[in-house]
Amino acid sequence: QKEVEQNSGPLSVPEGAIASLNCTYSDRGSQSFFWYRQYSGKSPELIMSIYSNGDKEDGRFTAQLNKASQYVSLLIRDSQPSDSATYLCAVKPGGGADGLTFGKGTHLIIQP
Amino acid sequence: GAVVSQHPSRVICKSGTSVKIECRSLDFQATTMFWYRQFPKQSLMLMATSNEGSKATYEQGVEKDKFLINHASLTLSTLTVTSAHPEDSSFYICSARVGGLYGYTFGSGTRLTVV
Repeated sequence: QKEVEQNSGPLSVPEGAIASLNCTYSDRGSQSFFWYRQYSGKSPELIMSIYSNGDKEDGRFTAQLNKASQYVSLLIRDSQPSDSATYLCAVKPGGGADGLTFGKGTHLIIQP
Repeated sequence: GAVVSQHPSRVICKSGTSVKIECRSLDFQATTMFWYRQFPKQSLMLMATSNEGSKATYEQGVEKDKFLINHASLTLSTLTVTSAHPEDSSFYICSARVGGLYGYTFGSGTRLTVV
């Protein structure tokens, strides 16, 4: 069973602070990793994708990947109340599978 | 660009009836469409993968005779929930792979309630 694990939260962060979201995955053959944001009752929207070990920055967001530790993280700098949502970690498993395996998501609350 | 239009957004149906959900790729050709289901406070679970012009591949535990998938063209995939029951009530989302190797875009989702 290929799994993606996330702390469900809620994770409460003061406005302006850094929010740190973490994810681990079980399939060592995984090559592609994604962070999605999902508001209640809505479809996921892509925040970041990362494929190589290290950091990838896009505006206030930084994704970090460590394949040896099977660990992916997302940092949100200067957190805003509008960042409050559920953040889903998704992994494209290896072995030719094409669909994504999602974690249960971390509920992030940015306190004004 | 790379928009997947999903309809309907919400549907309420009676137990025992069938419901069809459509996903259209508006500005690209979706060779492959993925169908997910999400129960409240749960993650998205991949139900099946459909490829244009061929039979869908279903994930373990998903009844192929209950969840009929048709992908007859490069821009349209449909999911029909047959003989729906209250336990089928869920949020159904389609997704297509776009551009590059690993980008995915999602439809807006369909909230199905079976009463």
